[in-house]
Amino acid sequence: DAGVTQSPTHLIKTRGQQVTLRCSPKSGHDTVSWYQQALGQGPQFIFQYYEEEERQRGNFPDRFSGHQFPNYSSELNVNALLLGDSALYLCASSPLLGRAYFGQGTRLTVV
Amino acid sequence: AQTVTQSQPEMSVQEAETVTLSCTYDTSESDYYLFWYKQPPSRQMILVIRQEAYKQQNATENRFSVNFQKAAKSFSLKISDSQLGDAAMYFCVLLVPRGYSGGGADGLTFGKGTHLIIQP
Repeated sequence: DAGVTQSPTHLIKTRGQQVTLRCSPKSGHDTVSWYQQALGQGPQFIFQYYEEEERQRGNFPDRFSGHQFPNYSSELNVNALLLGDSALYLCASSPLLGRAYFGQGTRLTVV
Repeated sequence: AQTVTQSQPEMSVQEAETVTLSCTYDTSESDYYLFWYKQPPSRQMILVIRQEAYKQQNATENRFSVNFQKAAKSFSLKISDSQLGDAAMYFCVLLVPRGYSGGGADGLTFGKGTHLIIQP
């Protein structure tokens, strides 16, 4: 049984560009959450998707958007990239009211 | 809004010794969950232990145990018989459910982490 998988593992983008990160949840999980972890910091909650809708959102600008597909996989999109968007982006999946399992993250570097 | 504070950026312990990591949190809700996650250099976030706020008994998982003081909003992690594989960043995490209508879990609030070093 595969756990939470994220792609790509590493990514380098130029300031002003757009990026899409992908997450496949653990089998049986219908809820996906995204987190941003800056270097040396704890993860910050970006948003959560359930039944293909954004259910809850943290304190992130509209440049951060997402999507959940019928198979529960999810994408995180970031527009107009800033240098400060450089971070590890973590995806977590969970079943209804269950514990969260994390992927290994996507390391995004904005230059 | 919820906050989680870890006041120890780094802790060091001799192998086989016991170490305690501190955490305080703040929420106005009475129903919540607390967790300790570890993140080794592989970046994989791994659940160490979980505590439900309504349970008075402290959670225990093998060498890991917590001291949950609800009135003081304190949630410390004790690691007994420390092993080299315990070296990692440890995060104290708070989950306040928004309610069961609509289903799904909610966003986790993380502390800034404590870097645990195990001295051989």
